[in-house]
Amino acid sequence: NAGVTQTPKFQVLKTGQSMTLQCAQDMNHEYMSWYRQDPGMGLRLIHYSVGAGITDQGEVPNGYNVSRSTTEDFPLRLLSAAPSQTSVYFCASSSAGDEKETQYFGPGTRLLVL
Amino acid sequence: GNSVTQMEGPVTLSEEAFLTINCTYTATGYPSLFWYVQYPGEGLQLLLKATKADDKGSNKGFEATYRKETTSFHLEKGSVQVSDSAVYFCALSDRGAGSYQLTFGKGTKLSVIP
Repeated sequence: NAGVTQTPKFQVLKTGQSMTLQCAQDMNHEYMSWYRQDPGMGLRLIHYSVGAGITDQGEVPNGYNVSRSTTEDFPLRLLSAAPSQTSVYFCASSSAGDEKETQYFGPGTRLLVL
Repeated sequence: GNSVTQMEGPVTLSEEAFLTINCTYTATGYPSLFWYVQYPGEGLQLLLKATKADDKGSNKGFEATYRKETTSFHLEKGSVQVSDSAVYFCALSDRGAGSYQLTFGKGTKLSVIP
């Protein structure tokens, strides 16, 4: 049971490039989320999903797209990277049962946009 | 809207000292409250939680009590160890919103010196 996995661990992009941050979980969790972590800002919600085929925006969705075609995967796409998207990105998941409020986090992807 | 305010760090303590990290919240509904911990280079892990007023969450010697009257959830530990050095995040989940997404404080970095 690997939990929540994220790839890559670290990425450098040039302004305007696109990329996809991968997130997968093997716990059969319905809920999945993407957060970004910036110094002095805590974690802020980008997008979330309550199940396959269902996504919604969080606090800071601009510049990011998501889709949820399977229960296991929840990729985050940057269509045209900007320096303001330099951050550490965390994916999280939780079940729909009694422990739905307990989120499990991946190890993070550190992104640098030049 | 929802918000979480926690004491700013960094906090530096000697081993075996008493730890308090203050956390207060504002919520439109009746939230669940959490403390997450992030060790260097890792993702966030749930440390403890409380789901209703006067509940006490505890784990690894850490405790926090849900105080509805003062809208607080302060984290305490009687005797810290070097291994407790990490960033601690207070968070809430507004169950009334239906999505169970987390609102985080900005984090408090704790360093414990031998």
